[in-house]
Amino acid sequence: NAGVTQTPKFQVLKTGQSMTLQCAQDMNHEYMSWYRQDPGMGLRLIHYSVGAGITDQGEVPNGYNVSRSTTEDFPLRLLSAAPSQTSVYFCASRSTGGGEKLFFGSGTQLSVL
Amino acid sequence: DAKTTQPPSMDCAEGRAANLPCNHSTISGNEYVYWYRQIHSQGPQYIIHGLKNNETNEMASLIITEDRKSSTLILPHATLRDTAVYYCIVRALTNNLFFGTGTRLTVIP
Repeated sequence: NAGVTQTPKFQVLKTGQSMTLQCAQDMNHEYMSWYRQDPGMGLRLIHYSVGAGITDQGEVPNGYNVSRSTTEDFPLRLLSAAPSQTSVYFCASRSTGGGEKLFFGSGTQLSVL
Repeated sequence: DAKTTQPPSMDCAEGRAANLPCNHSTISGNEYVYWYRQIHSQGPQYIIHGLKNNETNEMASLIITEDRKSSTLILPHATLRDTAVYYCIVRALTNNLFFGTGTRLTVIP
């Protein structure tokens, strides 16, 4: 039982490049979400999903796309990376049946030059 | 979701109880109080949550005032490994978690 797995752990991009941050969970959780954390700040919600085929925006969705084709996977896409997207990205999941615990991945540290 | 107020930092001597306060004066009747912590740059870790009764688990105790406008997370015997940022969050069960800046707890040897 691996929990929430994020890849890659580190990534450096040039401005304008695109990439996908991967997130997978093996707990059959319906709810998945993406957060970003800038230095010295709390986590901010980017996008979330309550099940396959359903996604919605969080606090800071601009510049990011998501899709949820399976229960297990919730990739985050940066279509045209900008330096302002330099951050640590965390994926998280929980069950939706009154689930109280949000399980987090270990994070992806992204630098956009 | 209701907003929370936490002190930015606290120190605690190793082996002593760490009491982390949180104010949530605008909490609604269906909102729970959650505590998470983030050790260094790891993903946040769930600690405990409660609605109106005091709660205890293997990690900590949560004391919620009768009017539910504030709460205290208690780590009964703090260790160096408890040094982390602690987040107090209030939310309804089906809503998203919104993190503030939390309290940076430093456990001193």
